[in-house]
Amino acid sequence: AQTVTQSQPEMSVQEAETVTLSCTYDTSENNYYLFWYKQPPSRQMILVIRQEAYKQQNATENRFSVNFQKAAKSFSLKISDSQLGDTAMYFCAFMIYGQNFVFGPGTRLSVLP
Amino acid sequence: EAQVTQNPRYLITVTGKKLTVTCSQNMNHEYMSWYRQDPGLGLRQIYYSMNVEVTDKGDVPEGYKVSRKEKRNFPLILESPSPNQTSLYFCASRDGQGQSSGANVLTFGAGSRLTVL
Repeated sequence: AQTVTQSQPEMSVQEAETVTLSCTYDTSENNYYLFWYKQPPSRQMILVIRQEAYKQQNATENRFSVNFQKAAKSFSLKISDSQLGDTAMYFCAFMIYGQNFVFGPGTRLSVLP
Repeated sequence: EAQVTQNPRYLITVTGKKLTVTCSQNMNHEYMSWYRQDPGLGLRQIYYSMNVEVTDKGDVPEGYKVSRKEKRNFPLILESPSPNQTSLYFCASRDGQGQSSGANVLTFGAGSRLTVL
């Protein structure tokens, strides 16, 4: 069975600092996508960043970047220059091509002023 | 605007009273899915649909039904709700043909908070 683990239920970071959220996954497949979704207090699920497993280059989106280690099945999210609006629950997920998404349990991030 | 719309956003009901949560998407997506979100458990899939008239069970289908008569709609039906179905529910859809850069991203509805007393 495919699984996603997020070992940090809660984290906090000072405004303007950098924080890294961890994610590991387990699959025997070779072709898949990895995602980070953000859920702010509004509850809306928002895509933060996506990585295709066949691409070696780590994805970046402005202040958000990932460290994708395929052999280790690790997909961490780095948030630079943290802002108050980054306070949210963050979910790591992966999807084998054409199949269903598998989500981790989430990490609650608080950005402190 | 491309979106997934689900209703109601909030609902309080009593045990055994049938209810339906509607979901509609305007992106012509073939794939639609329902999830429930519970603290510490992340999002768990209830049912999904690969296309019209094609539905299948997810990880936690017990107590739920779905139908996919039209491409845009994917309602979630609780025939006889129980308190353990109190949860936050999300409908989502995606395109997913091939491996193009825009495909395979899930677009979510705003969520439906259901309380069963």
